[in-house]
Amino acid sequence: AQKVTQAQTEISVVEKEDVTLDCVYETRDTTYYLFWYKQPPSGELVFLIRRNSFDEQNEISGRYSWNFQKSTSSFNFTITASQVVDSAVYFCALSEARNAGNMLTFGGGTRLMVKP
Amino acid sequence: DAGITQSPRYKITETGRQVTLMCHQTWSHSYMFWYRQDLGHGLRLIYYSAAADITDKGEVPDGYVVSRSKTENFPLTLESATRSQTSVYFCASSGGQGLGNTEAFFGQGTRLTVV
Repeated sequence: AQKVTQAQTEISVVEKEDVTLDCVYETRDTTYYLFWYKQPPSGELVFLIRRNSFDEQNEISGRYSWNFQKSTSSFNFTITASQVVDSAVYFCALSEARNAGNMLTFGGGTRLMVKP
Repeated sequence: DAGITQSPRYKITETGRQVTLMCHQTWSHSYMFWYRQDLGHGLRLIYYSAAADITDKGEVPDGYVVSRSKTENFPLTLESATRSQTSVYFCASSGGQGLGNTEAFFGQGTRLTVV
């Protein structure tokens, strides 16, 4: 069965520090998708990124970057020069290709607090 | 308005009462999902639906009932609410994993408190 582990339950940094959120996953499928979602204090879930299992290229989007390593079953998320607005709960999630509808298995989430 | 909407946003109910959470999407997405969010567990799948009149259990289905008579609606019913069902409930929809369908879209969430 699929599983997603976010070992860091809470991280606190000072503004402008870089921070990496860890995500480790388990799946028996060879085709799967990995996601990151952000949940700000207002409560909604904001989609950040989706990667498929055949694309191990790292991705950068502004201050956000993602490091996908199949060898270690990890999909880590780095925020460079963190800002107070980055304070949120971040969820890593997995969807196996056998579940055609983007059915997601979530990690427990990491609460990031960025202090001014 | 286009999108996925949940109602109510907040609900307080008593133990033993039946309560229904509504979810409506305007994209004609095939797939719809109900998740519950609890501290330390992230979001867990309760039920999902691949199309109208097709539903299936997720990870934590006990105590819940769903139906999907129309593609756009996917109500979740707690038949006899218990305190352990106090949670934030998220509805989501997805067009599937095909080309162009990159994500599941989530509603704003319903915060349910069972007293």
